[in-house]
Amino acid sequence: GDSVTQMEGPVTLSEEAFLTINCTYTATGYPSLFWYVQYPGEGLQLLLKATKADDKGSNKGFEATYRKETTSFHLEKGSVQVSDSAVYFCALPGNAGGTSYGKLTFGQGTILTVHP
Amino acid sequence: NAGVTQTPKFQVLKTGQSMTLQCAQDMNHEYMSWYRQDPGMGLRLIHYSVGAGITDQGEVPNGYNVSRSTTEDFPLRLLSAAPSQTSVYFCASSYSAGLADTQYFGPGTRLTVL
Repeated sequence: GDSVTQMEGPVTLSEEAFLTINCTYTATGYPSLFWYVQYPGEGLQLLLKATKADDKGSNKGFEATYRKETTSFHLEKGSVQVSDSAVYFCALPGNAGGTSYGKLTFGQGTILTVHP
Repeated sequence: NAGVTQTPKFQVLKTGQSMTLQCAQDMNHEYMSWYRQDPGMGLRLIHYSVGAGITDQGEVPNGYNVSRSTTEDFPLRLLSAAPSQTSVYFCASSYSAGLADTQYFGPGTRLTVL
C-alpha cells in the first residue's frame, strides 16, 4: 500500500539556519503531496502542497518540490525562526479509483526546535 | 465559523470504561475522519465517513465505533477503554474527496487510559 517515510528526528537548529526535512513516498501513480504542520498544543494545518510532478509548493518561506524521479517531497526553508518550532508531517491522499475519500496517509512526523 | 471542534480537550479513563469523543464541523463538509497520533508513528486513520449515514474502517479500527447521523457531527466511541488507546485523537474534515483537497483538523483530545 501507499506509504510515506520522513527523516528521523528530532531536528534542532539555531535561528536563521537552513532547514531540510526529507520525505519520500511509495504510491500508485502520481498522487498529490502535502506538508502539514502542528504547532504546540494545536491541531494540524496545511503548510503547502503540490499536485503534480515538478510542482513547487510554497508558504511562509517554506518550499517543497515534487520529484517523481526520486519519489521525494523534501521540505526546505532558508532561514528558520523560533516561531517555526513545530512538528512537520509529510502526507499523501488515500487513492482508490482516483478519490481520496477524505483520507490521508502520514509520515511519522519530524519535531523541529529552533533556538534563539 | 468555528471550523472543526473537539471535546473534551483532556480525558482520563480507567481500563474498561467507555466514553465518546465529540467532533463537530460547521463548514458543511461531507468527508470526516478520526486519527490517532502516537509518538514516532505519525497519524493513523481509525474510521472515516463520506457523508451522513455512511462510515467505514481505517487502518486501526479495533475498539472504536463511529456513526454519522448528521453532516455536522462525527462522534468516536470507545467501547471498553484499554491502556493501548492512550493517545491524542484528531478529527478532520474536507469538502470533497479530491486528491488535492485540504483536510481541516480539530485541536485534538488527549486521552489517558489507566
